[in-house]
Amino acid sequence: NAGVTQTPKFRVLKTGQSMTLLCAQDMNHEYMYWYRQDPGMGLRLIHYSVGEGTTAKGEVPDGYNVSRLKKQNFLLGLESAAPSQTSVYFCASSYSRPAWDEKLFFGSGTQLSVL
Amino acid sequence: SQQGEEDPQALSIQEGENATMNCSYKTSINNLQWYRQNSGRGLVHLILIRSNEREKHSGRLRVTLDTSKKSSSLLITASRAADTASYFCATAVNTDKLIFGTGTRLQVFP
Repeated sequence: NAGVTQTPKFRVLKTGQSMTLLCAQDMNHEYMYWYRQDPGMGLRLIHYSVGEGTTAKGEVPDGYNVSRLKKQNFLLGLESAAPSQTSVYFCASSYSRPAWDEKLFFGSGTQLSVL
Repeated sequence: SQQGEEDPQALSIQEGENATMNCSYKTSINNLQWYRQNSGRGLVHLILIRSNEREKHSGRLRVTLDTSKKSSSLLITASRAADTASYFCATAVNTDKLIFGTGTRLQVFP
């Protein structure tokens, strides 16, 4: 099994450009998450999904949109990139609620730089 | 604001020594989880402790939880150079989210 796969691994954007990050999981997990990681800030939740066709806002959702059209895929979109969105983005998935003792499985990350 | 805060932010020890890192959180939790992140990689789950548990072991890892103080500690015994990584606590409250702390960077020197 591949687990959680993120594409691309690296990307450089100019301010105002748009892009989509793709996350795919092959574990039949219901829950999927997008986090961003910045130095000294730990991981902050951007958006998440509790099942196909659902999305919800996390701690820092502004400037991002997501879609979960298929159970195995969770897309993160930046409509108009800003330098403040320079970060490392991690996708994760879990079988069900973390509060029900489920652990998260993480992808290897996407390093995004916005110039 | 962050739910979890780790302490210390950075820790340097020699191989063979024990490493202890602490996590404090703000609200009541269902469980607390510890993750490890090697440089440039994704996070990997280490251990989960439920709110009604006080201590849990997994190999060289020992986790304690004090819900009255809203704190947890992760002890790595007999550290190895391969344990060099960042360690994060994450708390699961009665929602669909897992909220991470700011992490402790552990450096183990051979």
